Amino acid sequence: KQEVTQIPAALSVPEGENLVLNCSFTDSAIYNLQWFRQDPGKGLTSLLLIQSSQREQTSGRLNASLDKSSGRSTLYIAASQPGDSATYLCAVKQGGSEKLVFGKGTKLTVNP
Amino acid sequence: ETGVTQTPRHLVMGMTNKKSLKCEQHLGHNAMYWYKQSAKKPLELMFVYNFKEQTENNSVPSRFSPECPNSSHLFLHLHTLQPEDSALYLCASSQDIQGRYSNQPQHFGDGTRLSIL
Repeated sequence: KQEVTQIPAALSVPEGENLVLNCSFTDSAIYNLQWFRQDPGKGLTSLLLIQSSQREQTSGRLNASLDKSSGRSTLYIAASQPGDSATYLCAVKQGGSEKLVFGKGTKLTVNP
Repeated sequence: ETGVTQTPRHLVMGMTNKKSLKCEQHLGHNAMYWYKQSAKKPLELMFVYNFKEQTENNSVPSRFSPECPNSSHLFLHLHTLQPEDSALYLCASSQDIQGRYSNQPQHFGDGTRLSIL
């Protein structure tokens, strides 16, 4: 059974700092991995999707990496801003199913 | 504008009530999903529909009954719910679940916050 773990559960940083969020998964036979952002009382916003054959994806100040063999992904946020404050969720998709298995998320607070 | 609209945003109901959650997507997608997000637990997939046909049921109790009349609309009918069913229910859509679209991201609505008294 696939399990996804996100560390840390919460993170507080000063504005401008570069930071890394971690995601690990137990079954390396994944189809893709996605990073989402969730603001309080809101749904999820897809940030980056990495296919199993890829090693990283970039969008603006965000960079996500994938090491499938070791079951790890990182989300790097450069020059963090208060507007980046949100919960960041990692999810993996297995082959043969549409089920996304989610981690519990990392709650990020960027202080001005 | 998320492209996926859920109504109502908040719902309080007793255990004997019957209510329905509605989801509508304006993205031209063909696949739609229901998720449950409980406090302190990871987001859980409930149902998947592709071209109006249910393709996955993640062992969801029968007190939750989905309906997908067309590719743009998805309902979740609720009856005789339990207190542990209180959660945020999220709807999502994606282009398709087959072939070259299977790697497309899912787009989420803002959810319905359900409280069972």
